[in-house]
Amino acid sequence: AQSVSQHNHHVILSEAASLELGCNYSYGGTVNLFWYVQYPGQHLQLLLKYFSGDPLVKGIKGFEAEFIKSKFSFNLRKPSVQWSETAEYFCAVKAAGNKLTFGGGTRVLVKP
Amino acid sequence: GAGVSQSPSNKVTEKGKDVELRCDPISGHTALYWYRQSLGQGLEFLIYFQGNSAPDKSGLPSDRFSAERTGGSVSTLTIQRTQQEDSAVYLCASSSRAGLYYEQYFGPGTRLTVT
Repeated sequence: AQSVSQHNHHVILSEAASLELGCNYSYGGTVNLFWYVQYPGQHLQLLLKYFSGDPLVKGIKGFEAEFIKSKFSFNLRKPSVQWSETAEYFCAVKAAGNKLTFGGGTRVLVKP
Repeated sequence: GAGVSQSPSNKVTEKGKDVELRCDPISGHTALYWYRQSLGQGLEFLIYFQGNSAPDKSGLPSDRFSAERTGGSVSTLTIQRTQQEDSAVYLCASSSRAGLYYEQYFGPGTRLTVT
């Protein structure tokens, strides 16, 4: 069965700082990869997804992620974060079958 | 168009009671998923439905949990004889079809508190 690890449980940074959140998965076959965000009091929203093709994926709000197959990684990045991006970020994998397997989430606090 | 909706948004129940949680998927979506988000376990898959196929129940934690989907649209997740460890946010998602390449859209969730 697939599993997803997000090594950073909590990240605190200042506005305009760069953000990188790590995500590693375990599964040997074809996967689809996702990053979701959950703002305080809101529901899960898709930031970006990787299905195939260019391993550098650009999503909404200036987020991007790079799929490195050899490292089983799909790290999320943003060059300059805003206070409003305080949220919990979840990496997810869809492999054989149709369910999403989520990482444990990373709580990001952006200080103004 | 309208997104996935869930009701109630919050539910408080006493231990031992049964609860029903409802999900209305996006119109036309044939695949419907239930997940649970709890402090101890993170986000976990519970069950999914695709069209008229038998549901994948592999994530249901016990036989107290069941779900049905009537008419290929609305789904109800039922928890019998609730326990305190059932307290969580129950999320529903839908996609136009099941399969690797179809994105899942999530509803706002039902926060269940078992006292």
